[in-house]
Amino acid sequence: AQSVSQHNHHVILSEAASLELGCNYSYGGTVNLFWYVQYPGQHLQLLLKYFSGDPLVKGIKGFEAEFIKSKFSFNLRKPSVQWSDTAEYFCAVNTYSSASKIIFGSGTRLSIRP
Amino acid sequence: DTGVSQDPRHKITKRGQNVTFRCDPISEHNRLYWYRQTLGQGPEFLTYFQNEAQLEKSRLLSDRFSAERPKGSFSTLEIQRTEQGDSAMYLCASSLGMGQGGGTEAFFGQGTRLTVV
Repeated sequence: AQSVSQHNHHVILSEAASLELGCNYSYGGTVNLFWYVQYPGQHLQLLLKYFSGDPLVKGIKGFEAEFIKSKFSFNLRKPSVQWSDTAEYFCAVNTYSSASKIIFGSGTRLSIRP
Repeated sequence: DTGVSQDPRHKITKRGQNVTFRCDPISEHNRLYWYRQTLGQGPEFLTYFQNEAQLEKSRLLSDRFSAERPKGSFSTLEIQRTEQGDSAMYLCASSLGMGQGGGTEAFFGQGTRLTVV
């Protein structure tokens, strides 16, 4: 069964610091990959997605993620974080099949010190 | 607002009562998902539909839980004989499946927060 692991449960950074959040998935076949963000009191929103093509994916608000197939990883990065990036970040995967659920990781809480 | 809408937003119920939640997906989306989220955890998959067909149900889901999507549009999630452990945020999401392997990302509703007392 497919699963998603997020290594960091809580990350605390100062403004302007660089960010990298880890995500690994377990599935041997072709996958679609997602990062979602949940700001305090708000619903889940898509940050970026990878379906195929260039493994370096750019999303909203300056975020990007790199799909490394050999490492089963899809890490999220941002060169300079802002206080407004304080949120919970979830990595998710679904397999490339006609009937496939989306599986989420347990999330990483990001706190930015102003 | 043409996003995913869920009703009610909050529900407080006594243990042993039945509750039903409704989800209206984005109109052209043929896939609909139900998830449960507790504090500090990621969304946990419950079940999902493609059109009116329920394609998968989590093994973690007890027989007290049932979901329907009768006409391939809105969906309901019913919990019978609620228990305190059912307290959580119940999330609905929808996406556009495009046949073999294709599709878009899932769009989430605001959720229904259930508190069982």
